[in-house]
Amino acid sequence: RKEVEQDPGPFNVPEGATVAFNCTYSNSASQSFFWYRQDCRKEPKLLMSVYSSGNEDGRFTAQLNRASQYISLLIRDSKLSDSATYLCVVSLYNFNKFYFGSGTKLNVKP
Amino acid sequence: SQTIHQWPATLVQPVGSPLSLECTVEGTSNPNLYWYRQAAGRGLQLLFYSVGIGQISSEVPQNLSASRPQDRQFILSSKKLLLSDSGFYLCAWRSGLLADEAFFGQGTRLTVV
Repeated sequence: RKEVEQDPGPFNVPEGATVAFNCTYSNSASQSFFWYRQDCRKEPKLLMSVYSSGNEDGRFTAQLNRASQYISLLIRDSKLSDSATYLCVVSLYNFNKFYFGSGTKLNVKP
Repeated sequence: SQTIHQWPATLVQPVGSPLSLECTVEGTSNPNLYWYRQAAGRGLQLLFYSVGIGQISSEVPQNLSASRPQDRQFILSSKKLLLSDSGFYLCAWRSGLLADEAFFGQGTRLTVV
């Protein structure tokens, strides 16, 4: 069983739309959670950390549900520049292992 | 500030040839270091991680090995490459003290022919 599972998409949305991605993790000992963004043929870059109380950064909102073992990312008012693959990441309790989901591809259309 | 360097950026190697990819980190000490591989259109697979000099943990059995000869140097190697070793190899570092995010090098795109 994979440590982290994501819907690969693609999600094709028009500019200005709101889109949400979910990600589930298998290990209840997971302690840290992140969303990364990866552009085509580039390295992943941190989009935002995910805190237990949920957090927001501009148009992006991340939430954590420990009981159901999933995290979510909400993007409001989508821009063309949001087109990328979004990777869900979890880290186990000792912070040494850092697992990535396979990513969800987002295409924002004009 | 911290930086991570990974080279080469691209590499084409014949089947059966050896491999050595190098990653170095600057501006931090005692980082956790990671090697990931990403096959075309796929997610990142954790290959190895290291919490200190000479300490290597392998996530999946395979044709590759890793070494950490110095605190901020992480090397990925193979004695004989297979076609299935092709992919995008990414080195990353994290603070060893806090639950911080990982930072990635720019990656090496390896094609085994």
